[in-house]
Amino acid sequence: DIQVTQSPSSLSASVGDRVTITCRVSQDISNYLAWYQHKPGKVPELLILAASSLQSGVPSRFSGSGSGTDFTLTISSLQPEDVATYYCQNYKNAPWTFGQGTKVEIK
Amino acid sequence: QVQLQESGPGLVKPSQSLSLTCSVSGASMSSGSYYWTWIRHHPGKGLEWIGYSYNTGTTHYNPSLRSRVNIAVDTSNNQFSLELSSVSAADTAVYYCVRRGYYYYNIGHSFSEIWGQGTMVTVSS
Repeated sequence: DIQVTQSPSSLSASVGDRVTITCRVSQDISNYLAWYQHKPGKVPELLILAASSLQSGVPSRFSGSGSGTDFTLTISSLQPEDVATYYCQNYKNAPWTFGQGTKVEIK
Repeated sequence: QVQLQESGPGLVKPSQSLSLTCSVSGASMSSGSYYWTWIRHHPGKGLEWIGYSYNTGTTHYNPSLRSRVNIAVDTSNNQFSLELSSVSAADTAVYYCVRRGYYYYNIGHSFSEIWGQGTMVTVSS
């Protein structure tokens, strides 16, 4: 099965900062990677699929990149409403494993 | 508008089985090809993919749960279910049902998914 390693596990940044989260998978999954945002008490929201395809309604400050085994989620200018936990998910082959999550806070 | 809604007991005793149902409204489960999926979120921990049942009847489960889990689709009642046996406190979580459908193009792919609101299940005596 494909292993998914996400880093860092948490980060604290100032409003307006550029934030980068990485996701590494144990075998080539092409671009079959999704990113989710999960706020406490809410349903997880799909931000990006196919590694870089931004979902409708998601602010353009979010972007995804990568292919193969290494992927990145970038928030170009962190906003207070971006406080959440972010997860990557492999969906090339089942099990559709999630990364461990990155908790993003405002400094 | 397609909606999913989880239902089931909020409290389950250790060693018993957890049974949840996801009711689908706004579309027939017999139409289209979808992955009927369960995902859970442990309090203070991460998201965990439990497994899916595909329209063909194919199932696939998280290896860590495979010996205890069963996902079944009931198209006649437009619902699908999760059964998890021999539960312990480690199974306490919010459980989400999700419908995912894939779309393939000449140069790529996409998917759409719909989540239920989630239901909290506590395992305790």
